[in-house]
Amino acid sequence: QKEVEQDPGPLSVPEGAIVSLNCTYSNSAFQYFMWYRQYSRKGPELLMYTYSSGNKEDGRFTAQVDKSSKYISLFIRDSQPSDSATYLCVPEGAGGSARQLTFGSGTQLTVLP
Amino acid sequence: NAGVTQTPKFRILKIGQSMTLQCAQDMNHNYMYWYRQDPGMGLKLIYYSVGAGITDKGEVPNGYNVSRSTTEDFPLRLELAAPSQTSVYFCASNSGLAGREQYFGPGTRLTVT
Repeated sequence: QKEVEQDPGPLSVPEGAIVSLNCTYSNSAFQYFMWYRQYSRKGPELLMYTYSSGNKEDGRFTAQVDKSSKYISLFIRDSQPSDSATYLCVPEGAGGSARQLTFGSGTQLTVLP
Repeated sequence: NAGVTQTPKFRILKIGQSMTLQCAQDMNHNYMYWYRQDPGMGLKLIYYSVGAGITDKGEVPNGYNVSRSTTEDFPLRLELAAPSQTSVYFCASNSGLAGREQYFGPGTRLTVT
């Protein structure tokens, strides 16, 4: 079983839609849950992160973590063409040194104008 | 403040050739990382460093070597290139303090034929 599994997509939605991106993980030691966004032919960049279970909102983005079911979600409200990117689910804190990250394979999102 | 820079952007190697991928950061970060990203896959950690003179293997170190003689630079050496090393390589850095974000470079696209 992979440590982190994401819906592979690709996902295509019309502008203004609500997008739900999901991820599951297997290591119960993970404490921090990050979402990185990667535009085509660019390096990933941190979008947002949460600590432990709960919700965190940042503008149009909401990250949700349910540690009991090991399930992570990212919701995008009023999606825009500029949100078109690959979204990487990245849990962290399983005891590795140097802040090692475990990356999901990513969900490719296209928002159509 | 350039962040994390990588050179070259693109490179084509013949089987058996060697090359060094350069990475530099100007944020005075202690932690640096090398990842490879294959199509449809998450980023895999090759090597990482927690400071000048200290390096350690990640998940997929075979066929690669690193050194860290300064805080700023973290070059990745490929010896005897093989087609399996065709990938996009990303360098990243992290302060190693309270911040959890890894800052990524723009990547190097390497093809081995």
